[in-house]
Amino acid sequence: NAGVTQTPKFQVLKTGQSMTLQCAQDMNHNSMYWYRQDPGMGLRLIYYSASEGTTDKGEVPNGYNVSRLNKREFSLRLESAAPSQTSVYFCASTLSSYNSPLHFGNGTRLTVT
Amino acid sequence: SQKIEQNSEALNIQEGKTATLTCNYTNYSPAYLQWYRQDPGRGPVFLLLIRENEKEKRKERLKVTFDTTLKQSLFHITASQPADSATYLCALNYGGSQGNLIFGKGTKLSVKP
Repeated sequence: NAGVTQTPKFQVLKTGQSMTLQCAQDMNHNSMYWYRQDPGMGLRLIYYSASEGTTDKGEVPNGYNVSRLNKREFSLRLESAAPSQTSVYFCASTLSSYNSPLHFGNGTRLTVT
Repeated sequence: SQKIEQNSEALNIQEGKTATLTCNYTNYSPAYLQWYRQDPGRGPVFLLLIRENEKEKRKERLKVTFDTTLKQSLFHITASQPADSATYLCALNYGGSQGNLIFGKGTKLSVKP
């Protein structure tokens, strides 16, 4: 029972490069989320998908795009990476979009030089 | 906009004592509030959820209270152990969608033997 799996675990990009962070959950959850965590800022929501086929912006969506590929998978894309996007990215999922706990992956540590 | 504050960045206590962590919020009361534990290099792990109509919730050595008058939640760990050392995050929902879940910056708890 893997839970929420994120790949890669670490990544170094140069400014302007693009990449996609992958997330998959095996708990048959409906809702999925992407957060970033920075020192002194806490967890901030980038995008979320309340159910398969829908996506919505969170608090800090600029510079990112997402795709809810199917019920299991939710990817985050950086089209042109910037040093300000250096962060730890967490994917999370939950059974329903209201009143249920989030299950987090162990994060992707991204450095943009 | 809704804000959430965890008063202490760090809390140091002796093994066996009760640790008390504070989470305050501004504006209107959330429908529910959650507490998570985060270990270094790992994603947050859900601990407890308390609803606005509940005063107190317990799980083993953990206790959470929710005071909508004070706009505050307290998180207690009784008989604390060095293994309880971690960062504890509170999160609250302020709307119908889980996408409106916001997190505090966390309190780093250190339990000394």
